[in-house]
Amino acid sequence: QKEVEQNSGPLSVPEGAIASLNCTYSDRGSQSFFWYRQYSGKSPELIMFIYSNGDKEDGRFTAQLNKASQYVSLLIRDSQPSDSATYLCAAHLMEYGNKLVFGAGTILRVKS
Amino acid sequence: EPEVTQTPSHQVTQMGQEVILRCVPISNHLYFYWYRQILGQKVEFLVSFYNNEISEKSEIFDDQFSVERPDGSNFTLKIRSTKLEDSAMYFCASRLAGSDTQYFGPGTRLTVL
Repeated sequence: QKEVEQNSGPLSVPEGAIASLNCTYSDRGSQSFFWYRQYSGKSPELIMFIYSNGDKEDGRFTAQLNKASQYVSLLIRDSQPSDSATYLCAAHLMEYGNKLVFGAGTILRVKS
Repeated sequence: EPEVTQTPSHQVTQMGQEVILRCVPISNHLYFYWYRQILGQKVEFLVSFYNNEISEKSEIFDDQFSVERPDGSNFTLKIRSTKLEDSAMYFCASRLAGSDTQYFGPGTRLTVL
């Protein structure tokens, strides 16, 4: 069973703070990892993807991957109230038809 | 910016009826997917499709489900005899060859009464 685990939250941070979202995965065959943002009743919206160990930065977002620990994280700097959403971590399994396996998501609340 | 589109946005049907959910993937994408999300639960993979064939399907995707690419632009998901437990958001996604990144459509909310 290929699993992706996330803390459901909610994670509450004040406006301007750094939000740190974490994800672990069970399948060492997972090759790439995605962070999607989902507002209530809406579809997943891609924020970032990461393939290699280390950090990848895009604007206020930094994704971190540690394949040895099977751990992925997303940091959001200077958090804004508009960042309040559910953040979904997904692992891509190439040998299984290239499907994405999603975690249950972490609810982020940014308080102004 | 190109995007995946889905119709209808909301479909209400009676149990036992057939429904067809429609998707128009991004035009140069070759890999297509259906996922579903029951209210309050995870996004779950249903099926992947490439070159007019199913690449993989999940255990959810039983004989009541089918997919089709009837023409060069549409990708459909048919549920032959809907059950109450089929009520969910259904998302279509597509990706380019050589890329792992899947782009999701806005979803169709299916309500089975």
